[in-house]
Amino acid sequence: GQNIDQPTEMTATEGAIVQINCTYQTSGFNGLFWYQQHAGEAPTFLSYNVLDGLEEKGRFSSFLSRSKGYSYLLLKELQMKDSASYLCAVRRSGGSYIPTFGRGTSLIVHP
Amino acid sequence: DSGVTQTPKHLITATGQRVTLRCSPRSGDLSVYWYQQSLDQGLQFLIHYYNGEERAKGNILERFSAQQFPDLHSELNLSSLELGDSALYFCASGTRGPGDTQYFGPGTRLTVL
Repeated sequence: GQNIDQPTEMTATEGAIVQINCTYQTSGFNGLFWYQQHAGEAPTFLSYNVLDGLEEKGRFSSFLSRSKGYSYLLLKELQMKDSASYLCAVRRSGGSYIPTFGRGTSLIVHP
Repeated sequence: DSGVTQTPKHLITATGQRVTLRCSPRSGDLSVYWYQQSLDQGLQFLIHYYNGEERAKGNILERFSAQQFPDLHSELNLSSLELGDSALYFCASGTRGPGDTQYFGPGTRLTVL
């Protein structure tokens, strides 16, 4: 099986930088996704990491360390609209290729 | 807008009833995935279809069933509904199946009274 851990909630200030961590344990690893989900809306794809290192995409970056079972999503220059839930999802190699989603981190950005 | 459409947006029904949720994938996508999201459970994978064939099953109850039609749209049928089935139901689509990034539709909010 898989265990995915994320903080339940985080708060940050507009304009600041926030790092949302995700740790996982899985027998076999084949990729990690980050999704953003505003309340009552669909999850929106943010990033995909399968190799170690940092992937940068505008204000958002995602980092992966496979040896540590660890990823983070870095959000820079926070805006009020970044208030949302951020879901980490891990896909296993072999067997089921369907990603398993973590419970999500609710980020609250305040002025 | 992900390009994935789901109908209806909201559905209110009574216990014991049966409902059908509909999903149309993005143009060109062959895969459709169904998920259930409730407040206390997070996003739970239900079932995956690829080009009309069932490919994987997750935590899908026997009261639930799905199919994907030749035009690639999919339907999720929920029967003998219980209060605990109240949730957001999302459909996602992708291009190749295994290894895909999934693009989610807007969801159907089901309320069972």
